[in-house]
Amino acid sequence: DAGVTQSPTHLIKTRGQHVTLRCSPISGHKSVSWYQQVLGQGPQFIFQYYEKEERGRGNFPDRFSARQFPNYSSELNVNALLLGDSALYLCASSLAQGRLNTEAFFGQGTRLTVV
Amino acid sequence: AQRVTQPEKLLSVFKGAPVELKCNYSYSGSPELFWYVQYSRQRLQLLLRHISRESIKGFTADLNKGETSFHLKKPFAQEEDSAMYYCALLQGAQKLVFGQGTRLTINP
Repeated sequence: DAGVTQSPTHLIKTRGQHVTLRCSPISGHKSVSWYQQVLGQGPQFIFQYYEKEERGRGNFPDRFSARQFPNYSSELNVNALLLGDSALYLCASSLAQGRLNTEAFFGQGTRLTVV
Repeated sequence: AQRVTQPEKLLSVFKGAPVELKCNYSYSGSPELFWYVQYSRQRLQLLLRHISRESIKGFTADLNKGETSFHLKKPFAQEEDSAMYYCALLQGAQKLVFGQGTRLTINP
């Protein structure tokens, strides 16, 4: 099992552009969460999806959106990129949601640089 | 608001010395707390969770509700313990609230 996989690993975009980041969870995991990690900070929660529905949203502007597909993979979309969106974007998957299944397995992340 | 504070960004100790990484939290309710670790060039991974009350790689962490703390401890540090450590609090069903992290360096 390759674990949680994210693509691409690195990305450079220009201000104002749009970006799509992809995540494939561990086989059998139905919950996917997205986190943003700015240099020198801990990861910050953006979204959680479970069974293809949004179950949680962090304090991020509407430029950020996501979705989960029938195979439980997920995409994170960011519109109108700003320099401040430069960060490592982490995807985490878990078996289910709820306090009994809360071990989140993280991907390697996508390093987004906005210039 | 729920918050996790790790007061030390950097911590350096000698091999064989005791290690304590501090974590304080604010949470209204019964908290569920975790320590995550990121070794060089590896992904973020769970080290331990307070409900398991287990020792992983010699590390333990005790939840102190009176002091709202969940400090990570190891009696004898090893060089392979050098890594970035994050304390995290579970909010709701799946949202993890992370601290800023502590970079631990074990000197030979």
